[in-house]
Parts: sequence; structure tokens; C-alpha cells
Amino acid sequence: AQSVTQLGSHVSVSEGALVLLRCNYSSSVPPYLFWYVQYPNQGLQLLLKYTSAATLVKGINGFEAEFKKSETSFHLTKPSAHMSDAAEYFCAVSAPSGGYQKVTFGTGTKLQVIP
Amino acid sequence: EPEVTQTPSHQVTQMGQEVILRCVPISNHLYFYWYRQILGQKVEFLVSFYNNEISEKSEIFDDQFSVERPDGSNFTLKIRSTKLEDSAMYFCASRGDQGKQYFGPGTRLTVT
Repeated sequence: AQSVTQLGSHVSVSEGALVLLRCNYSSSVPPYLFWYVQYPNQGLQLLLKYTSAATLVKGINGFEAEFKKSETSFHLTKPSAHMSDAAEYFCAVSAPSGGYQKVTFGTGTKLQVIP
Repeated sequence: EPEVTQTPSHQVTQMGQEVILRCVPISNHLYFYWYRQILGQKVEFLVSFYNNEISEKSEIFDDQFSVERPDGSNFTLKIRSTKLEDSAMYFCASRGDQGKQYFGPGTRLTVT
């Protein structure tokens, strides 16, 4: 079984401040981990993914995430928030190989960027 | 980059009607999925499909739902008799052997 827990359903940061969105995972096998972003009334866009290579993963729009096995975490960060980063962010997990690899999503974190 | 497409982008239907949501997965992919997202909630897995049969389904995917790959390109989700609570965004996804699922832009289903 696999699951993700996103801490904080809403996060507010000032423009230019550090963005930190927290995600902890649970998986019986080494996981694949993802962060998706969803803008209002739009679909899911993949920001970045961890697939057992480098533990620090760089994604689009200046975001990155670090896989920490000891903490079972995969927190998303961006050094300097931009107004255009306001959206909902979903952490997700899937099994790495074999099986049918359904993706299990977290409940999402809405990021508000304050000018 | 290849992409998954979905039609229509928005479907409005009356309660009790049948709807078919269509998806065109990436051409060389073998695994197909449907997810849904009720407004304000998280994205939930509905069903996975491989080798022309359902490989896994969630408890949401009851007898009112069915999936089909009628030809070599389309992947459809049918809801036989829609209920108000079926109103949601429905996402199709497909996967090759590389482990990454590509999601479509979604179909917003509104049941009135």
C-alpha cells in the first residue's frame, strides 16, 4: 500500500520568499514520487519526479524537491516565490516498477503568494 | 513532448443520462488510467487498464462505470446512469515502460 500526506492545506508566502511545501510518503517498496501543479480550472502539470536516481530533483519553474528516505519525505521548495506560482500542488506516489502503477495523490496544498 | 488528449473539455448532462468521456493516449503506451477529482478534493484513482482488460479498480468504480479501448487509439470511460455526485473533473493518463504517467487536461463533467 502507498500513501502521501501533505502537511498544510493552505500555505501563504510573500513574493520573493522561500516556498516550502511538505510531503511525507508511505510505501512498502521504494517509491516513485511526484509533484504536480494545478492552476484553477486546469489539468495536472508534472513539476518534477523522483525515480531512484539523484535524491535532489530539479523541476520546472525553479522548483526542486529532495528525497529523504530516513524521513520518508519529499518536500517541494523554491527559493523565491513568484505571483505566478499561486496554484494547488499535489504530491503523489507510485510503485517503481511492475504492476500497474496507479498514482496515489495527496490532498493538495494551495499556495497563496502575497505581493 | 507527446501528450494525452481528452474530449470534450466540458460535458453537461442530466441526472440518469449516460455519458462517454474520451481519451487518446500516447500512441506507444500500453497502460491506461482514469482518475477523477471532485471539486475541491484530491485526485482519486478510478481504474487501470492493460492488455484490453481492467487490471485494478477502486471502490469508486462500481457497476455504473465501464472502460473500453474500442480501437487502437481511443480509451473511453462510460458512466451508465449519471448521478449528481459524479460531477467532477475526470483525468485520463497513459504510461509506457518508463514509469511516468502522462495526464490529459481533463474533462469537467457537470451533472444537473
